[in-house]
Amino acid sequence: DTGVSQDPRHKITKRGQNVTFRCDPISEHNRLYWYRQTLGQGPEFLTYFQNEAQLEKSRLLSDRFSAERPKGSFSTLEIQRTEQGDSAMYLCASSPPGQREKLFFGSGTQLSVL
Amino acid sequence: DQQVKQNSPSLSVQEGRISILNCDYTNSMFDYFLWYKKYPAEGPTFLISISSIKDKNEDGRFTVFLNKSAKHLSLHIVPSQPGDSAVYFCAARGGGSNYKLTFGKGTLLTVNP
Repeated sequence: DTGVSQDPRHKITKRGQNVTFRCDPISEHNRLYWYRQTLGQGPEFLTYFQNEAQLEKSRLLSDRFSAERPKGSFSTLEIQRTEQGDSAMYLCASSPPGQREKLFFGSGTQLSVL
Repeated sequence: DQQVKQNSPSLSVQEGRISILNCDYTNSMFDYFLWYKKYPAEGPTFLISISSIKDKNEDGRFTVFLNKSAKHLSLHIVPSQPGDSAVYFCAARGGGSNYKLTFGKGTLLTVNP
């Protein structure tokens, strides 16, 4: 069990650029989640996949955000035309069948938009 | 509207004493409550959970108490150790969704040697 892996750990970009993050969940975990955390706040739900199907997107996820999970394995989160307000820690988590409430988080990708 | 509230941003205790972290919620539809611990530069780590049909769950030094009538839960750590120093998040599941967790803002616990 290697845990949830996220890449990159840090990303600095200029406003208006596109960025993409990758998440590799724990193998055999069928559920995958993206959360966002800003300073002084708890993680906020962004979106959720069961296998390859994206079942819900939060209202926090504007049209500039898109997430995919092809083949039900790794997932990517893309932000187009980044804004300074997108600066945050983006956390990926996965959960195994039968334990959907117990999320295993990765170390996150820290995004800074200049 | 914050459905899960942790009103104490920080807590400081002496090693060996009890740490009590509190959490309040407003949504009576929540059916599962969890505590996560987070160290700097790491993702949150699951610590302990409790179903809404129970009022206590214990795991080693960690005990979670749930008071449904008061919509309040607490995490007790006895005895506290310096390695317990971290941010603790209260989270709740449910409220119309059976997979999404709603988190509080967290409490920074510092255990002094």
